[in-house]
Amino acid sequence: EDKVVQSPLSLVVHEGDTVTLNCSYEVTNFRSLLWYKQEKKAPTFLFMLTSSGIEKKSGRLSSILDKKELFSILNITATQTGDSAVYLCAVEARSGGGADGLTFGKGTHLIIQP
Amino acid sequence: DAMVIQNPRYQVTQFGKPVTLSCSQTLNHNVMYWYQQKSSQAPKLLFHYYDKDFNNEADTPDNFQSRRPNTSFCFLDIRSPGLGDAAMYLCATSRDRVVRLFFGSGTQLSVL
Repeated sequence: EDKVVQSPLSLVVHEGDTVTLNCSYEVTNFRSLLWYKQEKKAPTFLFMLTSSGIEKKSGRLSSILDKKELFSILNITATQTGDSAVYLCAVEARSGGGADGLTFGKGTHLIIQP
Repeated sequence: DAMVIQNPRYQVTQFGKPVTLSCSQTLNHNVMYWYQQKSSQAPKLLFHYYDKDFNNEADTPDNFQSRRPNTSFCFLDIRSPGLGDAAMYLCATSRDRVVRLFFGSGTQLSVL
């Protein structure tokens, strides 16, 4: 059975801190790993990673994948209160591909205190 | 502008009373998904439509049904909601087998 484990499950930091969120996986037929941000509304897409060692960056957020050690990290620098959300990691792992082969982790609930 | 719209945002139903959740999209995506997400849990795929083809996950209870009358709309029917069905229900879309999903804001279902 495919498994995606995120850690920590919750995290409270102060504004301006840097945080690192972790996602490890055990799947067959790995194809890609995705990060989503879920506030009290629609989960929104952040990154999609398919290759090891290539950092994806968007503003203060960045992510990298390690296919040898089977994990990904999501970094947020200079955190702001607007970064408070649940961050979901999902792994695509089915031979035919497609979002029906996505396995989600439980998410990391990040709280940024002013 | 919202591209995947779910109504209502909050739904309260009684134990055993059928309920329908709706989802519409303006993206013209051919694949639509329904996920169930309980508190502090991972979203769980219930089923998806690839065009008109319905695909049920093996562990989705028979109590859950879906309809897709056209490309833009998809409905989730819960025939006899139980207390364990209280959850956030997320609708999502994608183009073909591309994994990047576009989510709606979800419907939070409470069962009394």
